[in-house]
Amino acid sequence: GQNIDQPTEMTATEGAIVQINCTYQTSGFNGLFWYQQHAGEAPTFLSYNVLDGLEEKGRFSSFLSRSKGYSYLLLKELQMKDSASYLCAVRRTGFQKLVFGTGTRLLVSP
Amino acid sequence: GAGVSQSPSNKVTEKGKDVELRCDPISGHTALYWYRQSLGQGLEFLIYFQGNSAPDKSGLPSDRFSAERTGGSVSTLTIQRTQQEDSAVYLCASSLTSGGKETQYFGPGTRLLVL
Repeated sequence: GQNIDQPTEMTATEGAIVQINCTYQTSGFNGLFWYQQHAGEAPTFLSYNVLDGLEEKGRFSSFLSRSKGYSYLLLKELQMKDSASYLCAVRRTGFQKLVFGTGTRLLVSP
Repeated sequence: GAGVSQSPSNKVTEKGKDVELRCDPISGHTALYWYRQSLGQGLEFLIYFQGNSAPDKSGLPSDRFSAERTGGSVSTLTIQRTQQEDSAVYLCASSLTSGGKETQYFGPGTRLLVL
């Protein structure tokens, strides 16, 4: 089976940097995804990591360590519009389904 | 089209009735997923289609749920004899893999309420 853990809620200040962690246990890892979801809206794809290391995309970066079963999403220069839920999802080898964590609700304050 | 579209956007039905939800993926995307999201919960995988391969139905919660994808494009998710616990947002996503990296794009979802 799979188990994915994320903090339930985080708060940060506009202009700051925040790191959202995701730990997982799975037999046979084949990729980790991060999504952003604003309330009442569909998720938006942010990043995909399958190899160890950091992937940078503008203000957002995602890091993966397969040996530690650990990923984080780093958001820089926070803006009010970054207030949303951030979902971590993992795929197992041989399966196409993604298993999602329950998400981290980020609140950015002025 | 610009993105993944789903219809209807909202559906209210009575317990015991059948419902059909539609997804139009992005043109050229060979992979298509259905998920559902109950209020305040994470996404739950339902089914996956890839080209002409047999679909991965491992996430369908019961035999009341079925899905098909005609001509490798439009997909319909059918729920028979709906129950109140079927109330959720049903999300469709299509994806493209390039250079070993997959990018998934979600539709706006169908909000289903079973009374």
